[in-house]
Amino acid sequence: AQSVTQLDSQVPVFEEAPVELRCNYSSSVSVYLFWYVQYPNQGLQLLLKYLSGSTLVKGINGFEAEFNKSQTSFHLRKPSVHISDTAEYFCAVIGAGTALIFGKGTTLSVSS
Amino acid sequence: DAGVTQSPTHLIKTRGQQVTLRCSPKSGHDTVSWYQQALGQGPQFIFQYYEEEERQRGNFPDRFSGHQFPNYSSELNVNALLLGDSALYLCASSLRTSGLGQETQYFGPGTRLLVL
Repeated sequence: AQSVTQLDSQVPVFEEAPVELRCNYSSSVSVYLFWYVQYPNQGLQLLLKYLSGSTLVKGINGFEAEFNKSQTSFHLRKPSVHISDTAEYFCAVIGAGTALIFGKGTTLSVSS
Repeated sequence: DAGVTQSPTHLIKTRGQQVTLRCSPKSGHDTVSWYQQALGQGPQFIFQYYEEEERQRGNFPDRFSGHQFPNYSSELNVNALLLGDSALYLCASSLRTSGLGQETQYFGPGTRLLVL
């Protein structure tokens, strides 16, 4: 069965610092991976996705993620964060069919 | 171009009641999925509708049912509400492609349900 583990429940960082949000997955089928962001009191917005091809995936708002098959990881990175990046971040993998299986989320808190 | 819309935004019900939540997909999309997000948790897949039929279902009891209309909009119905049904209910739409699982799901803002 597919599953996702987000290794950090909360990540506090200062503005303009780099950040990495960690995600490990397990999947017995084709691996399609996603990162979504959820701002307070809003739905989920897709940051980026990996379907195939280059293991380095670039997304919106300056985020990128690297697919590592040997380590079953899909960590999200940003070289310099802004206050506006404060949000909940979810890693997800496609389960059976087309259902998204989400991790429990990582709260990114950016302070000045 | 309107994205995914959901109604109502908030809802308060009492135990044992029934509730209906509504979702209009993004223009051009034909598939609607529903997710339940409890406080502090990631969303959990409830079910997915395509061509007006339930195509896939997560681990939710039969109290949770749905419907998809010819215009692709969808409803989620929950009967005999329990306190534990309090959550944010998210609708996601997508366009079914030959590469199953590769399509991007676009989420609505959600309906926050409180069961007292």
